[in-house]
Amino acid sequence: TQLLEQSPQFLSIQEGENLTVYCNSSSVFSSLQWYRQEPGEGPVLLVTVVTGGEVKKLKRLTFQFGDARKDSSLHITAAQPGDTGLYLCAVLGPGTASKLTFGTGTRLQVTL
Amino acid sequence: KAGVTQTPRYLIKTRGQQVTLSCSPISGHRSVSWYQQTPGQGLQFLFEYFSETQRNKGNFPGRFSGRQFSNSRSEMNVSTLELGDSALYLCASSRPSGGNPYEQYFGPGTRLTVT
Repeated sequence: TQLLEQSPQFLSIQEGENLTVYCNSSSVFSSLQWYRQEPGEGPVLLVTVVTGGEVKKLKRLTFQFGDARKDSSLHITAAQPGDTGLYLCAVLGPGTASKLTFGTGTRLQVTL
Repeated sequence: KAGVTQTPRYLIKTRGQQVTLSCSPISGHRSVSWYQQTPGQGLQFLFEYFSETQRNKGNFPGRFSGRQFSNSRSEMNVSTLELGDSALYLCASSRPSGGNPYEQYFGPGTRLTVT
């Protein structure tokens, strides 16, 4: 059983469409991070959310941490080809704050 | 500031051989973590080094080992390679930031193929 389940696994959309990616768990977390990984590169941190109900915006990306701090969502408005990549949610631990446990990942492809 | 560098970027080895991968963290970062990424298992934590000491270890067999040098550079070694060790090996560096969540900065990875 994965600690963090992401859905959907794959998403192929056209430029200009909106989409939402989900990260779910039965555990409560003190914080949650979202990363984007492009082909041939390592993951890059997009945002860290720490408060239940928190909403953070990064240009066309909106991140929300669930009220109970068990889940999170990433919404992309008017997707562009440059948004293509693997989106990963991650939490610190368990057991230690010096390791990351990653979600199962959502692979997004945005076409013209 | 230069990012995390990993060498080599690509590697092909034969079953039974051993391999050593290298990681140079961002200047000033003292913590280096290693992760394995495969299509089936995703991104999994291997181990973390801080000030030349292994601080945490993931659920991997003893064939996977690592070390960190006084300049914070790190190496990981995999002995007696198996086909299932084919993966992207990622290194990440970070610096403890008090009460805030760690921010880890990843290198581009080493793509290891075992034949």
